[in-house]
Amino acid sequence: GQQLNQSPQSMFIQEGEDVSMNCTSSSIFNTWLWYKQDPGEGPVLLIALYKAGELTSNGRLTAQFGITRKDSFLNISASIPSDVGIYFCAGHDMDSNYQLIWGAGTKLIIKP
Amino acid sequence: EAGVAQSPRYKIIEKRQSVAFWCNPISGHATLYWYQQILGQGPKLLIQFQNNGVVDDSQLPKDRFSAERLKGVDSTLKIQPAKLEDSAVYLCASSLDRGRTEAFFGQGTRLTVV
Repeated sequence: GQQLNQSPQSMFIQEGEDVSMNCTSSSIFNTWLWYKQDPGEGPVLLIALYKAGELTSNGRLTAQFGITRKDSFLNISASIPSDVGIYFCAGHDMDSNYQLIWGAGTKLIIKP
Repeated sequence: EAGVAQSPRYKIIEKRQSVAFWCNPISGHATLYWYQQILGQGPKLLIQFQNNGVVDDSQLPKDRFSAERLKGVDSTLKIQPAKLEDSAVYLCASSLDRGRTEAFFGQGTRLTVV
């Protein structure tokens, strides 16, 4: 099935650093969603975006819906140990009957 | 507000056996999804329901997988017979409606086929 291009695949960061990850699509999306998944749990919704250009924050997390409607990014400021996990982007594809399409995930690891 | 409920949390079966998973979505959510997540990968959609109708089952291996949502509320996903490659986490999610609303996930059922 169709997938989003999510990058990077993994990130090794120091505690306190800022983190940035992004997703791109070949088709236009009308919704972008960012999820975090901890081991043994289901994905938890972090931020939902509905309009091109929209910039939304949730605590130290900020995400934007790209102007072209084909990309989105997620930033985490001043990372802390509990930020470790896998971050997924997902979006509703207008060309595929609004099917929810998923990225492959970005694994965030904090260096000791 | 209660979240998406799934059971069981864990299941171990032998290959060729059958297994069923249950999901109760958030109250009032019309759209229900079943995903398969293999270790190290993102969720893969198996089937999407809108109320009690199937919207998308293009990636459901229909020779062994089946799902139903008879009254448009809770849903069951069945595998019969199971193969080793079916070992994965099976996630259920629901959303108010399809297209523009957030999907909320249950904790998943971890299936191990031996």
